[in-house]
Amino acid sequence: DTGVSQDPRHKITKRGQNVTFRCDPISEHNRLYWYRQTLGQGPEFLTYFQNEAQLEKSRLLSDRFSAERPKGSFSTLEIQRTEQGDSAMYLCASSLVQGYYGYTFGSGTRLTVV
Amino acid sequence: AQSVTQLGSHVSVSEGALVLLRCNYSSSVPPYLFWYVQYPNQGLQLLLKYTTGATLVKGINGFEAEFKKSETSFHLTKPSAHMSDAAEYFCAVSDHTNAGKSTFGDGTTLTVKP
Repeated sequence: DTGVSQDPRHKITKRGQNVTFRCDPISEHNRLYWYRQTLGQGPEFLTYFQNEAQLEKSRLLSDRFSAERPKGSFSTLEIQRTEQGDSAMYLCASSLVQGYYGYTFGSGTRLTVV
Repeated sequence: AQSVTQLGSHVSVSEGALVLLRCNYSSSVPPYLFWYVQYPNQGLQLLLKYTTGATLVKGINGFEAEFKKSETSFHLTKPSAHMSDAAEYFCAVSDHTNAGKSTFGDGTTLTVKP
């Protein structure tokens, strides 16, 4: 198993454009999480899936953000009409259903909105 | 609701000296506690975790942490710092009633001086 993969590693986009990120979790992991991390801060929860069902979404997540996990495998996070405040590292993590195993993180996608 | 406070955003030690990174948590139910390490431009890697049982837990790279319920603390220690330990460290809390969602502290950057 190659761990959690995220693509792309870096994305520079102009304000107002749409972007989509992909995350491939560890295949045995039922749960998939998206977090956002800005400089000097810890990861901030955005949303999570158990298999293909999106079970929770942070109140911080505006309507411009949407995430999917079709067939319970890979996941995509889309940001529409990007704003400069969206610039951050977007982290994907996966875990087994039992939360006490902790997360396996991907390397993240760094988004810069210019 | 859960929260994590990491005391000291920057800690500097000499190579060979004791490392102590402080973490205090708040949780309304028995917590699961984690320490993660993050190297530049990478995702987070699990160092160690406390779920139940022995309150002194050992992790990778010679790190250990002790869960102290009375102090709501989970401080991370290493007897002798190595240059390769320089990184950012995050403490996280989750509970078994919250679907394994973790709340992270803002991190502590560890610098190791030769």
